[in-house]
Amino acid sequence: EPEVTQTPSHQVTQMGQEVILRCVPISNHLYFYWYRQILGQKVEFLVSFYNNEISEKSEIFDDQFSVERPDGSNFTLKIRSTKLEDSAMYFCASRPNEYQETQYFGPGTRLLVL
Amino acid sequence: AQSVTQPDIHITVSEGASLELRCNYSYGATPYLFWYVQSPGQGLQLLLKYFSGDTLVQGIKGFEAEFKRSQSSFNLRKPSVHWSDAAEYFCAVGAQGGGSNYKLTFGKGTLLTVNP
Repeated sequence: EPEVTQTPSHQVTQMGQEVILRCVPISNHLYFYWYRQILGQKVEFLVSFYNNEISEKSEIFDDQFSVERPDGSNFTLKIRSTKLEDSAMYFCASRPNEYQETQYFGPGTRLLVL
Repeated sequence: AQSVTQPDIHITVSEGASLELRCNYSYGATPYLFWYVQSPGQGLQLLLKYFSGDTLVQGIKGFEAEFKRSQSSFNLRKPSVHWSDAAEYFCAVGAQGGGSNYKLTFGKGTLLTVNP
């Protein structure tokens, strides 16, 4: 069964550094998402992406964040200058089309900012 | 705005006992409702979903959930818990209408511990 994959599984970085989290959504899915889960807190929506542009973003998704689908298969989340509070598990999800509401999640990338 | 409340942060049950995890939602219309499970070190796996029709929905691993509009609830149940069910369970609501602005709102999760 097709799955969403994410790399790396864990990333440790220094405050102020740039990080890129990578996701490969399920083939032929059209909608892509990033969520994050700070330890002990709920999973929060960050951004949705469709037709090569951002559809919606949350208040968390400020100018330090960006998303890209560079090659038709990968979907990346970039944090330009990481802060301590960016430490979290980041989940990528994809959804087949506008008629199907189920989102399929990847295993997550645990980001630790020191 | 949509929201989800999972009142129980942590539940402990004995193996073989029945289980009910509570979920209440707030949404202006009929929502799409989901239960996801997260095992340690794993991602979010879809257990079941409710969109419309029969209010009792069956999922994987022997789980079921019942949508009760009058109570704004979507509680997850299992008649007999197995040790492998120990995990964190998340209830989520999605806005009807789909489209490019569709997203999920999650509850804080309920951590399930299963005693032998």
